[in-house]
Amino acid sequence: QSALTQPASVSGSPGQSITISCTGTSSDVGGYNYVSWYQQHPGKAPKLMIYDVSNRPSGVSNRFSGSKSGNTASLTISGLQAEDEADYYCSSYTSSSTLEVVFGGGTKLTVL
Amino acid sequence: EVQLVESGGVVVQPGGSLRLSCAASGFTFDDYAMHWVRQAPGKGLEWVSLISWDGGSTYYADSVKGRFTISRDNSKNSLYLQMNSLRAEDTALYYCAKDGGGGGYYFDYWGQGTLVTVSS
Repeated sequence: QSALTQPASVSGSPGQSITISCTGTSSDVGGYNYVSWYQQHPGKAPKLMIYDVSNRPSGVSNRFSGSKSGNTASLTISGLQAEDEADYYCSSYTSSSTLEVVFGGGTKLTVL
Repeated sequence: EVQLVESGGVVVQPGGSLRLSCAASGFTFDDYAMHWVRQAPGKGLEWVSLISWDGGSTYYADSVKGRFTISRDNSKNSLYLQMNSLRAEDTALYYCAKDGGGGGYYFDYWGQGTLVTVSS
């Protein structure tokens, strides 16, 4: 069982917007602005898409945005494109005594 | 260009040991903390371990604490993971990842991974 909860799958049509949620606790997502998001295509290494809740690394499309409310963080992808189809993982710093970083279980995005 | 190249993954018997390596280039290695993250076949990402820029602080996931040891050699721009008492559930693709350098740990560059299979 993952420490952060994500929906197993989401889908959308090209051009639409989708949002992937990531729910934690006050010890991780809710307690710190240290949520990051990763995109992983099959057989490839993960790629950083968002860090510190809402910051985009250089080179990442501005169609990707992040936000947080309480214990839930969200990744929104606008203007869906076929190449956005991938697995998406959220991650957060945690003050848990047993972990320093926790991941969500991942969300499979299907572009219809 | 940042590059992280892992090596050392093999098939090993339960109870065995293994040392993974990660060669880093394209950035000032000793300015950044480094991580190991693993992914079991068909499963999600799991953070394994973290080492500070100078090697003075190390952290581990509960699932590997007491069995795995992370280390680094800044003179060789290299990161290591010593894995002892291996179990079937340690079977995974192990990624070396560079920390982003902020306050809360994120992974801005990843290697391609090295596969560890624990099986008799």
